[in-house]
Amino acid sequence: RKEVEQDPGPFNVPEGATVAFNCTYSNSASQSFFWYRQDCRKEPKLLMSVYSSGNEDGRFTAQLNRASQYISLLIRDSKLSDSATYLCVVNPYGQNFVFGPGTRLSVLP
Amino acid sequence: DTEVTQTPKHLVMGMTNKKSLKCEQHMGHRAMYWYKQKAKKPPELMFVYSYEKLSINESVPSRFSPECPNSSLLNLHLHALQPEDSALYLCAPIMILLGSSYNEQFFGPGTRLTVL
Repeated sequence: RKEVEQDPGPFNVPEGATVAFNCTYSNSASQSFFWYRQDCRKEPKLLMSVYSSGNEDGRFTAQLNRASQYISLLIRDSKLSDSATYLCVVNPYGQNFVFGPGTRLSVLP
Repeated sequence: DTEVTQTPKHLVMGMTNKKSLKCEQHMGHRAMYWYKQKAKKPPELMFVYSYEKLSINESVPSRFSPECPNSSLLNLHLHALQPEDSALYLCAPIMILLGSSYNEQFFGPGTRLTVL
């Protein structure tokens, strides 16, 4: 089993839709969780950090379930500009950052 | 944001060339990572520098040679590369959140390398 797994995608959704991505991790010592977005041929940009049960920033909500070892990202009222690849990243205590394979989102007009 | 700069933005080199990639940050972050990212794949860790010392080398071939001359600068020297080394090379300092043991990682814009 890979350390961090994500929904395979791609997700193609209409503008205004709500979309949710899931990410599961295998290392129970993980203490920090991140969602990055990456546009084509650009660097990953930090979208949200999660250290407790969840985090919310405008249209974006991340939820962490430590018991089941998964983290989700919910995007409400999708915009065309939300089209990107979303990377789930997990940081076990004292270890390096572990990346999921990414989930590609296309928001269609 | 950590205000990380990477130069050059694009680099095309032959297999016999010697070139260097540069990463600079002026936020005082003491840990810096080099990643390699191929198309449609997540970043893959190459090296970690902590307090200007190489702390992790993920079995990277010797044709890649990292260097950290000071806390603001990280270089990656390239020699005798192969076409499969073509990728986006990303530098990422680590920011330690005050009053916690949590770290956040911010990426520079990267250098897109093509080896002919």
